[in-house]
Amino acid sequence: GEDVEQSLFLSVREGDSSVINCTYTDSSSTYLYWYKQEPGAGLQLLTYIFSNMDMKQDQRLTVLLNKKDKHLSLRIADTQTGDSAIYFCAERAGRRALTFGSGTRLQVQP
Amino acid sequence: GAVVSQHPSRVICKSGTSVKIECRSLDFQATTMFWYRQFPKQSLMLMATSNEGSKATYEQGVEKDKFLINHASLTLSTLTVASAHPEDSSFYICSAQKGTEAFFGQGTRLTVV
Repeated sequence: GEDVEQSLFLSVREGDSSVINCTYTDSSSTYLYWYKQEPGAGLQLLTYIFSNMDMKQDQRLTVLLNKKDKHLSLRIADTQTGDSAIYFCAERAGRRALTFGSGTRLQVQP
Repeated sequence: GAVVSQHPSRVICKSGTSVKIECRSLDFQATTMFWYRQFPKQSLMLMATSNEGSKATYEQGVEKDKFLINHASLTLSTLTVASAHPEDSSFYICSAQKGTEAFFGQGTRLTVV
């Protein structure tokens, strides 16, 4: 079945860039997503990318996709303390439900 | 953007009672909604796919008699946890897809005592 993997933890200093990495196994993935989850809250859609794209930028967020290696990354520029949360990558093929990674806990130190 | 509303956000119930969780798509119609469960400090696991006007499709290992899903309209799906037990305590999240985007409700934290 589909599998999505992420590193569990990332710590950065305020003002630095954060890069969260994700790998997936399903070659038929059509869309890849990044979500943010704060404690006790639901998931906030940050951005998504089509599998035929290799980069998408949205303000402080940059998504890079290497389809050959099935590697997705999320770069957050000028990371702020308010960015501290758990970040999930997820993939979807067609109209199927999303398959999520384990989540990366981002800790931003002042 | 599209909004998915989930209610209640928190519920505490006694063991043996049933709990209903509602998921609504507020500004779009969703023929398909998804229900996920999230254990503490873990990822989201798909429980079932809710299809408007037909039976839900359950993932392997999910008891359909325990987790009853009703998708009666294009904007509402409900998940009923029947005869809840403490091991059913968890964070339940619904999702609806609008085109390429997948939106999630705020989640429901269920605690069974």
